[in-house]
Amino acid sequence: DGGITQSPKYLFRKEGQNVTLSCEQNLNHDAMYWYRQDPGQGLRLIYYSQIVNDFQKGDIAEGYSVSREKKESFPLTVTSAQKNPTAFYLCASSIVNSGNQETQYFGPGTRLLVL
Amino acid sequence: AQSVTQLGSHVSVSEGALVLLRCNYSSSVPPYLFWYVQYPNQGLQLLLKYTSAATLVKGINGFEAEFKKSETSFHLTKPSAHMSDAAEYFCAVSGSTLGRLYFGRGTQLTVWP
Repeated sequence: DGGITQSPKYLFRKEGQNVTLSCEQNLNHDAMYWYRQDPGQGLRLIYYSQIVNDFQKGDIAEGYSVSREKKESFPLTVTSAQKNPTAFYLCASSIVNSGNQETQYFGPGTRLLVL
Repeated sequence: AQSVTQLGSHVSVSEGALVLLRCNYSSSVPPYLFWYVQYPNQGLQLLLKYTSAATLVKGINGFEAEFKKSETSFHLTKPSAHMSDAAEYFCAVSGSTLGRLYFGRGTQLTVWP
């Protein structure tokens, strides 16, 4: 069963704690993305990676870190430096078609709550 | 630079009525445009995309969108709303064939019986 999986579905963070959100895809997509979604603000890009062992900051990278050691995995760590981490986090991966045009597909999301 | 404006954060229609969700974009290069739908506590699902092949794009669930360059618009329509269409809809633009998307703030669609 192909697709993008995110775990856990819900995650609770205590003050000063780092937490890691998992994103895995078995679609053989090259690029992967992390977005943060807050009510009324749409999706904002945190980090993205277009190839293994390389990634770039998005618009709101402060307080977050990522790694891309394997093509199928792109974990996101929310560090203690992120002062307002409560949000819905969405991972996406993308494929480039024969016309060299990219389409992003999304995982089911992880909701992060602060205790 | 690319950006998207979705007019109307909430739209309400009766079941069977026309659905019209508005999206205007700004792009310094020919845009690639997308509509996604999100049901509560789920990820985004691709509805349709404009890739310059045709200005009228048909998507899933009976939705379609028309690219109008002169109006910099890519409005989403459906002739007859169904209760199952109630969700949040996002318009997005990419300024190149590869790379990041820029999303609008979303429009919440409510369908009344």
